[in-house]
Amino acid sequence: SQTIHQWPATLVQPVGSPLSLECTVEGTSNPNLYWYRQAAGRGLQLLFYSVGIGQISSEVPQNLSASRPQDRQFILSSKKLLLSDSGFYLCAWSVKADGSPLHFGNGTRLTVT
Amino acid sequence: SQQGEEDPQALSIQEGENATMNCSYKTSINNLQWYRQNSGRGLVHLILIRSNEREKHSGRLRVTLDTSKKSSSLLITASRAADTASYFCATWDSSYKLIFGSGTRLLVRP
Repeated sequence: SQTIHQWPATLVQPVGSPLSLECTVEGTSNPNLYWYRQAAGRGLQLLFYSVGIGQISSEVPQNLSASRPQDRQFILSSKKLLLSDSGFYLCAWSVKADGSPLHFGNGTRLTVT
Repeated sequence: SQQGEEDPQALSIQEGENATMNCSYKTSINNLQWYRQNSGRGLVHLILIRSNEREKHSGRLRVTLDTSKKSSSLLITASRAADTASYFCATWDSSYKLIFGSGTRLLVRP
């Protein structure tokens, strides 16, 4: 069966520090991968999605970047965090079929202080 | 802008009552999905309804879709305290982007 791992679960980082959040998927090949951010009590904002290794689409211009160095690995990064980067970051995957449901990790709670 | 918008934003009901949440969307769709999120966790896919379907059931869940009104509803029957969560509708903006509404926070009081 397929599983998705996202870590760390919580992270407290000072303003100006770098960030690296990692997400890996097991039990499937060539998935679509996604990074979403959720502000407290709000809906989900799509940040990045990837349809293959090295292929990243950015939805919102911001202080973050994403990379997909391997088929089932998706990394969210920042060189210098801002206070506004605080939030709940969710990784998800789907199969390559139109309209497929997304499968989410348990998220990373990032607090920038 | 959000593709889907849920209504109400928050709902508080007694255990055993039915809970109805509504979702409106803006563009044509192939399908609409509903997800559930427990506090501090990832989202879990509940049910998918295709554009050529009007109603779909899964256990205590009933989803309807009215493409002429660009709206959908999620009904949870005989609610339980464990149903307390946020519920989101989502539609595909393109083949690769699933856009979520802002969600309905459901509280089921025991």
